[in-house]
Amino acid sequence: EAGVAQSPRYKIIEKRQSVAFWCNPISGHATLYWYQQILGQGPKLLIQFQNNGVVDDSQLPKDRFSAERLKGVDSTLKIQPAKLEDSAVYLCASSLNAVPNYGYTFGSGTRLTVV
Amino acid sequence: QQQVKQSPQSLIVQKGGISIINCAYENTAFDYFPWYQQFPGKGPALLIAIRPDVSEKKEGRFTISFNKSAKQFSLHIMDSQPGDSATYFCAASPQGYNQGGKLIFGQGTELSVKP
Repeated sequence: EAGVAQSPRYKIIEKRQSVAFWCNPISGHATLYWYQQILGQGPKLLIQFQNNGVVDDSQLPKDRFSAERLKGVDSTLKIQPAKLEDSAVYLCASSLNAVPNYGYTFGSGTRLTVV
Repeated sequence: QQQVKQSPQSLIVQKGGISIINCAYENTAFDYFPWYQQFPGKGPALLIAIRPDVSEKKEGRFTISFNKSAKQFSLHIMDSQPGDSATYFCAASPQGYNQGGKLIFGQGTELSVKP
């Protein structure tokens, strides 16, 4: 079974620029999550999708972050404009359904550096 | 605010020794407690998990001990090996349909097993 695919693996941008990350979940997984992992900390949930609908985006900084999951499969996370404190690894995860022990799998993440 | 507190921040153990990592949570609405292992450049991978109706769960060299009244749980790694050197995260998942699948992570423990 293929894992969760993310791209790019690394991205360096200047502050105030925009950036987008892409995630392809495991086939058949209805639930998709985006987490932010700042260096030395545990991942923090940004947004959760169930199919193509948003379940939880309470921790998403909506003034600069946006995410979509068209057709209930792939997802993109965008930051515009980026700030220095957005430097982190952005992890995508997927699961069969909105239950944490149903095949919850993380991708390898995109490491973002904002300079 | 829902929180999971993890200690120690770092741990050095000799090969063959026992590694112990502790976590405490504040919200009694959590109903699933996984431990994740993360290697550099990779996403977290599920190691072992427990539900609050069980006080202990063992899988190979890994054991979770759970104390519901104290709101604490811990990971024990028996016969620690250099290949176990990684960052370990405890996590908790809250009950409820609109919370389903959301994971709240501890701060992480960097484990180093010396040969």
